[in-house]
Amino acid sequence: EAQVTQNPRYLITVTGKKLTVTCSQNMNHEYMSWYRQDPGLGLRQIYYSMNVEVTDKGDVPEGYKVSRKEKRNFPLILESPSPNQTSLYFCASSPFGGGYEQYFGPGTRLTVT
Amino acid sequence: RKEVEQDPGPFNVPEGATVAFNCTYSNSASQSFFWYRQDCRKEPKLLMSVYSSGNEDGRFTAQLNRASQYISLLIRDSKLSDSATYLCAVGGATNKLIFGTGTLLAVQP
Repeated sequence: EAQVTQNPRYLITVTGKKLTVTCSQNMNHEYMSWYRQDPGLGLRQIYYSMNVEVTDKGDVPEGYKVSRKEKRNFPLILESPSPNQTSLYFCASSPFGGGYEQYFGPGTRLTVT
Repeated sequence: RKEVEQDPGPFNVPEGATVAFNCTYSNSASQSFFWYRQDCRKEPKLLMSVYSSGNEDGRFTAQLNRASQYISLLIRDSKLSDSATYLCAVGGATNKLIFGTGTLLAVQP
C-alpha cells in the first residue's frame, strides 16, 4: 500500500530532551516536507526536501532540524524541545514537487511540558 | 492579507443539502489548486484537484475562477459522513503549497 508513515504517533516529553520524529514514504517521491498544525494557524511548513541531501527552510524552521540521507526517509529533529513546539506534526511527500499535490502521513501529536 | 483565505465556518447543513465553499488566493501566478478533507485530528487527505475547466467527482464539483482568484467546492446531497474540515491548497507559483485554515462542515440528521 502506498503510504507515508510517521513514528511515534503520540509523544509527551519534557523541555530540553532531544527527540526525533521519523517519516518514511514508499512511493519513491523526491519531494518531502514537514508541517505543524495549530488551531487557528493552519498548516505551516517547517522544512522541505527536494531530493536526497537537499533540504531547505520553510516558514517556521526555528528549533527544528531535518536530514535526507535516503530518498524514503525524512526525520524531524527537535534538539531542545520547548513548550511552544507542542503541536500536531505532519510529514508529506509529493511526486511532482512542492507546488503540487502532497500526500500526508497520519500525524504525530507532540506535547512538551 | 493572507495568501489563501477561507471562511472558517462552521457550516451547519441538513442531510441532503447542497453546500458550497470558496477559497480566495492572492498570488495571481498560482498554477495548481486542490481541495483536501481533514477529519478531526487526522491527516489531510486529497479530495480533488481543481482544473481550469472545472471538474466533478460524484457529488463533489470544484471550480476555478482565475479572474477573481478563487476556487470553490460544491457538495451536493450532503451526507453525515461529509462532516469534516475542508482545506484548500494553492501552489505552483513557488515551490510550496499554501493551505487555507479550513472550513468546518457539520452535516446534521
